[in-house]
Amino acid sequence: EDQVTQSPEALRLQEGESSSLNCSYTVSGLRGLFWYRQDPGKGPEFLFTLYSAGEEKEKERLKATLTKKESFLHITAPKPEDSATYLCAVQAVRVQGAQKLVFGQGTRLTINP
Amino acid sequence: DAGITQSPRYKITETGRQVTLMCHQTWSHSYMFWYRQDLGHGLRLIYYSAAADITDKGEVPDGYVVSRSKTENFPLTLESATRSQTSVYFCASMDSGANVLTFGAGSRLTVL
Repeated sequence: EDQVTQSPEALRLQEGESSSLNCSYTVSGLRGLFWYRQDPGKGPEFLFTLYSAGEEKEKERLKATLTKKESFLHITAPKPEDSATYLCAVQAVRVQGAQKLVFGQGTRLTINP
Repeated sequence: DAGITQSPRYKITETGRQVTLMCHQTWSHSYMFWYRQDLGHGLRLIYYSAAADITDKGEVPDGYVVSRSKTENFPLTLESATRSQTSVYFCASMDSGANVLTFGAGSRLTVL
């Protein structure tokens, strides 16, 4: 069974204080690992897709990396507007069936000014 | 408006009543999904559809019914609502050639 575990559950940082969020996964053949951002009262919004170990993607202050067992979302010099819940999801290789994603519980990030 | 629209955004109902949550997308994406989001559980897949008239169960399908007579619509029905179905429900769509989910804004359902 595909599983995704995110840590920590919540993280509070000062503006400019860099840190990382962790996503550990177990999947029988990884098709893709996804990072989403979710603001309160809204649906998740796509950030990155990573496909293979060693791959990295960047967007503004965010950088996502991938190993064979986990992914990290690095946040460099964050600003208050980076406050959100960050969700990680995996998509397994399937011969048949829809390309379903399995989500972790998310990390709630708060950046204090 | 282009995108994916859910309605209603907020709904309060009573135990035993039937409730239908609507989802409409304007991209003609093949795949559509229904997730529920609860504290401590994250997003869990209820049902999904690969195309019109093709639906399948997800992780937590009990108590829910879906249909997909048209590509753009994917309603979710709770035939007899229970308190445990109090949740925020998200609809999402995905193009068959891609693997990125696009979510709606969510429907918050409270069952009293």
